[in-house]
This record gives sequence, structure tokens and C-alpha cells, in this order.
Amino acid sequence: EPEVTQTPSHQVTQMGQEVILRCVPISNHLYFYWYRQILGQKVEFLVSFYNNEISEKSEIFDDQFSVERPDGSNFTLKIRSTKLEDSAMYFCASSWDRGNTGELFFGEGSRLTVL
Amino acid sequence: AQSVTQLDSHVSVSEGTPVLLRCNYSSSYSPSLFWYVQHPNKGLQLLLKYTSAATLVKGINGFEAEFKKSETSFHLTKPSAHMSDAAEYFCVVINTNAGKSTFGDGTTLTVKP
Repeated sequence: EPEVTQTPSHQVTQMGQEVILRCVPISNHLYFYWYRQILGQKVEFLVSFYNNEISEKSEIFDDQFSVERPDGSNFTLKIRSTKLEDSAMYFCASSWDRGNTGELFFGEGSRLTVL
Repeated sequence: AQSVTQLDSHVSVSEGTPVLLRCNYSSSYSPSLFWYVQHPNKGLQLLLKYTSAATLVKGINGFEAEFKKSETSFHLTKPSAHMSDAAEYFCVVINTNAGKSTFGDGTTLTVKP
């Protein structure tokens, strides 16, 4: 069964460092998403991406965040200068439509720890 | 605008007894509604979805949910809990026009032997 894969599964970084989280969505999907879940808290929407551009973003997704689909298969989330409060589990998801009949398929997440 | 309220942060049941996890939503559009389950240290797995077809939706592992527009509810039920059902459950509403999703705060289900 096709699945969304994420790397790394866990990354530890120093505050102020840049981090890139990678995702390989399901190959025929058109919509891509990043979510964040701070430990013990709810899952929060960060950004959606379609047709090589951001289609929707939340207030969390400020200038230190960026997304890119560099090569037609990977979908990356970059955090330019990490802060302690960026420590969270980051989930990538993809879907073939906007949710009318499809569903979001989630990866297993990348845990980011900022020291 | 859209929002999701999961009415119980924790639910505890005994194995073999019914499960009810409550979800209310609000949406300016006709929403798509989903229930996802998250087991410890795992990703999110789809349990079931409502997308304007039948109002009673059956999902995996014996779960089902009923969409009630008049009550703006989408409660998740299971007739008989199993130990493996212990997990975090999220109700999700998706605005199908914008592709923006909103998660509920989650309900932790504990199943006692």
C-alpha cells in the first residue's frame, strides 16, 4: 500500500540552527501538508501546498518557515533559525484532492528537539 | 471559519463495553469530517470519513460515526472496546474549498481490562 515517508524520524539541533525535514508524498497525490504537534498538545495545521505554491498557511507558519518541492517527489519543510518552542513532532500529509472524497495520508512524523 | 470541539479530553471504558467519543463542529461550508487515531509514537491513521454520502459511516476496527447536521455532531462509537483501541483520537473537519483542515484537541481513550 502506498505511504507517505518522512525523514529523519528524529533530529536534535541547537537553537538558531537551520533544519530541513523531508517528506515523500504518495506519488499521484496533488496536495501536500505540514502539521505540527507539540508534546501533549493538539495537532496544528501549518501549511498546504498545491501546484508548486502555498495554498493556505496558519499563523504559526511565519517567515522562519518555508516549504519546497524541489524535485517532483520530495516535499520539504525548512526552519531557518530554530527556537526552543519549535520542538515538536512534524507530520507531513498528502491527498489527491482537497478532501472532497479523498483523505489525508499521514507520515509517521519527524520529531524535532531543539536544545 | 471552522472549528472542532471534542467534548471529552479523556474517556475510560472497560474492555467489552461500548465506546462513545464526542465531536461537534462548525463550518461555513459543507464540511468533510474525519476521525483519525494515533497510537503512541505512531503517525495518524484514518478511521473513517464523512463526505456527504451516507450519514452513518463505518470505518476500520469496528468503529462507526453518524453525521447529524441538525446537531452539528459527528460522534465516534464502537459497540465493544478492545485493549488495542487505547489511543488518542482526533476529529478533523476539512473545508473542501480551501483544503484547510482543523483538528480537535483529541480524546485519549483508555481501555481497562
